[in-house]
Amino acid sequence: GAGVSQTPSNKVTEKGKYVELRCDPISGHTALYWYRQSLGQGPEFLIYFQGTGAADDSGLPNDRFFAVRPEGSVSTLKIQRTERGDSAVYLCASSLFTGTGELFFGEGSRLTVL
Amino acid sequence: DQQVKQNSPSLSVQEGRISILNCDYTNSMFDYFLWYKKYPAEGPTFLISISSIKDKNEDGRFTVFLNKSAKHLSLHIVPSQPGDSAVYFCAANWEGAQKLVFGQGTRLTINP
Repeated sequence: GAGVSQTPSNKVTEKGKYVELRCDPISGHTALYWYRQSLGQGPEFLIYFQGTGAADDSGLPNDRFFAVRPEGSVSTLKIQRTERGDSAVYLCASSLFTGTGELFFGEGSRLTVL
Repeated sequence: DQQVKQNSPSLSVQEGRISILNCDYTNSMFDYFLWYKKYPAEGPTFLISISSIKDKNEDGRFTVFLNKSAKHLSLHIVPSQPGDSAVYFCAANWEGAQKLVFGQGTRLTINP
């Protein structure tokens, strides 16, 4: 497809488990972003990749969260020892490196931690 | 602290009338502002933006106004159509940064 693809669309897990969320950006987009949206809130920045490197990870809430983009395309957000407060929709977005903030978002991965 | 605020959680407008969505910000470093639209079970989609060097940007039925002295921006939709029913997010960015700061969103409902 032409858009940003995220899998899984829904993930239910138990407290303390490990989860991985995958993002496949638009082909040719060098910039990739992860945001988290909690109920009733706007998206909240987590991390930004330019190519393979994490250029800004200041939004990651703690060291249980980690993201990689080893080949500069697909990215994986990894959450260790999940907590109920991690429940949210995790949004991935990509863009050409314009710096204007016009991002193309995927449909998100809804994570529920029981 | 909430640097970008949308104080109206919801707004209901008659079809054909003007919809006005408001957004306030606190960080003077913001120099680029955007509106995103979100339908249920979809990701946000970019709608319109404005640079801080302008006070108005228009694209078809959508116009964004920026009042820097008041740290306020608004999105006008005229005429409103049923397909405009969605959640609208205001977002802000600053030069050199690559992270958007979003407001909480306003749910717009257009009534036939």
